[in-house]
Amino acid sequence: GEDVEQSLFLSVREGDSSVINCTYTDSSSTYLYWYKQEPGAGLQLLTYIFSNMDMKQDQRLTVLLNKKDKHLSLRIADTQTGDSAIYFCAETRAYNFNKFYFGSGTKLNVKP
Amino acid sequence: DSGVTQTPKHLITATGQRVTLRCSPRSGDLSVYWYQQSLDQGLQFLIQYYNGEERAKGNILERFSAQQFPDLHSELNLSSLELGDSALYFCASSVGLLYNSPLHFGNGTRLTVT
Repeated sequence: GEDVEQSLFLSVREGDSSVINCTYTDSSSTYLYWYKQEPGAGLQLLTYIFSNMDMKQDQRLTVLLNKKDKHLSLRIADTQTGDSAIYFCAETRAYNFNKFYFGSGTKLNVKP
Repeated sequence: DSGVTQTPKHLITATGQRVTLRCSPRSGDLSVYWYQQSLDQGLQFLIQYYNGEERAKGNILERFSAQQFPDLHSELNLSSLELGDSALYFCASSVGLLYNSPLHFGNGTRLTVT
């Protein structure tokens, strides 16, 4: 999606924290999502955040939203080899809840 | 398990042929989306249906068509297949139009055109 940008690759060591970043352009973004895609599988919804929130934590996952800079991040604590996957961020906007703008995905490689 | 079912999982066919991909949405979801994922092109939105009616069109070729049936399952028809149509095709569903709800994806159909 041309409106949502992600870096293509991230490599971390097992046990370290991973931070996957996403930037978007539309100030009317309402919900922002993180999906995980393992090889040969579909996209699995990990978590999502409403735009009036700054942070959301769910076990090892922390989502941070900087609305001023239009920047979203997903932090994975104590990264495991099973976290190796492609991570997509996506957004929807106030004037059309039904249109999802996806980033191109960040491939996370976790080295043992 | 997302609750979205796609069949078949794999499909191998020849150029020029026609195939039908099937999707059953999560129970209670009225909206169905189709996406194409190629190796070098990320996730491309094809088309969305809501309660049997087409709601939005993306980068869907004229050779492709879709429909959503009264029982809410959907089918994506791909005809005059070309080598470049080889890709993963995903169906996703959501509750519907009235408020924001996340997409839930099926495991996809891998189409190989030879």
